Amino acid sequence: NAGVTQTPKFQVLKTGQSMTLQCAQDMNHNSMYWYRQDPGMGLRLIYYSASEGTTDKGEVPNGYNVSRLNKREFSLRLESAAPSQTSVYFCASSEDRTGQFFGPGTRLTVL
Amino acid sequence: RKEVEQDPGPFNVPEGATVAFNCTYSNSASQSFFWYRQDCRKEPKLLMSVYSSGNEDGRFTAQLNRASQYISLLIRDSKLSDSATYLCVSSGGGADGLTFGKGTHLIIQP
Repeated sequence: NAGVTQTPKFQVLKTGQSMTLQCAQDMNHNSMYWYRQDPGMGLRLIYYSASEGTTDKGEVPNGYNVSRLNKREFSLRLESAAPSQTSVYFCASSEDRTGQFFGPGTRLTVL
Repeated sequence: RKEVEQDPGPFNVPEGATVAFNCTYSNSASQSFFWYRQDCRKEPKLLMSVYSSGNEDGRFTAQLNRASQYISLLIRDSKLSDSATYLCVSSGGGADGLTFGKGTHLIIQP
């Protein structure tokens, strides 16, 4: 079992560029999540998907879109990147009230 | 706003000592609680769930006090490898993710 995988591991963008962060899990979990982690701010929820075909906004959704492609995959898209979106992005998955399992993260820098 | 508060530390502790830290949560409707461990530049990893009756996993003991809305983590016989940031987490039980504290930084010194 690979658990939760994320690609890419690192990315540098220029302001205004777009990109999609990919996430996949092989644990057959229903729920998937995208977080960002910034120094001094802790982990903040961007979007989540309670099940295949559904997505909902979290605490900080502005500037992002998501797609739950199937049960395994949940992608995060930045349509027009801004320097404020420089962060580490983590994808996670879980089943019901169990804890969440995180991917290794994507370190994104927007210049 | 749902919040989880932790002392950021750092806690500098000699190897072999016992260390404990608490966190408080504001959402009285929270149903599930967890401790996560995060190493530098790595993802958070689930350390243990926290049950109302308290639970132990090897050298780690977690306790929940619902009346005072706090959670504690006790680490006995600390090892150098315990050095990390420990994140306190609560969940309202819904599918909207977890509420994370900002973490307590623990440094075990030889």
